[in-house]
Amino acid sequence: AQKVTQAQTEISVVEKEDVTLDCVYETRDTTYYLFWYKQPPSGELVFLIRRNSFDEQNEISGRYSWNFQKSTSSFNFTITASQVVDSAVYFCALSEARNTGNQFYFGTGTSLTVIP
Amino acid sequence: DADVTQTPRNRITKTGKRIMLECSQTKGHDRMYWYRQDPGLGLRLIYYSFDVKDINKGEISDGYSVSRQAQAKFSLSLESAIPNQTALYFCATSERAIYNEQFFGPGTRLTVL
Repeated sequence: AQKVTQAQTEISVVEKEDVTLDCVYETRDTTYYLFWYKQPPSGELVFLIRRNSFDEQNEISGRYSWNFQKSTSSFNFTITASQVVDSAVYFCALSEARNTGNQFYFGTGTSLTVIP
Repeated sequence: DADVTQTPRNRITKTGKRIMLECSQTKGHDRMYWYRQDPGLGLRLIYYSFDVKDINKGEISDGYSVSRQAQAKFSLSLESAIPNQTALYFCATSERAIYNEQFFGPGTRLTVL
């Protein structure tokens, strides 16, 4: 079974619209970590945020915000007032405490296109 | 200079050839990883290494081998490349603690004809 599900394969929005990227995870651990990465067209993977399972506070960083809800096993990512530079593939990932190798389980990614 | 580098960045080879992808890091991290990315499948772990003497198989290690030559160097080999190994390969590093993010290299695009 997929540990991290990103059901939205592709999303297109017009510039300045808000967009939310969904991430649903599955784990039996009580201690785990969630991550978001951005992969722009140039191909590199850029770390955006880390959240641990004990911290359900939402986080805001500029136009980016993250909503972590353990009750629904979701860690959604919202971009406010999207810009063309936000066009990228976004990956959500899970790391479980029992996994001493720090293995990341990645979702299949959501490709976001922001249309000018 | 980039903290995690990969060579080559692009490679085209033929079925049956032996290929080595190299990764170097200047971050001083103990842990290193090799992933492959395929369209629609996200990133999947091939091998990971805690340190020079500790190498572990990941989710999809068949057909691959690795070598950790030093703390800073981790190489991935395809002993006899096949077309379904055509993919984008990423090296990553992290510090020891499980909560630490992984830092990725720029990727190597490999095409096996």
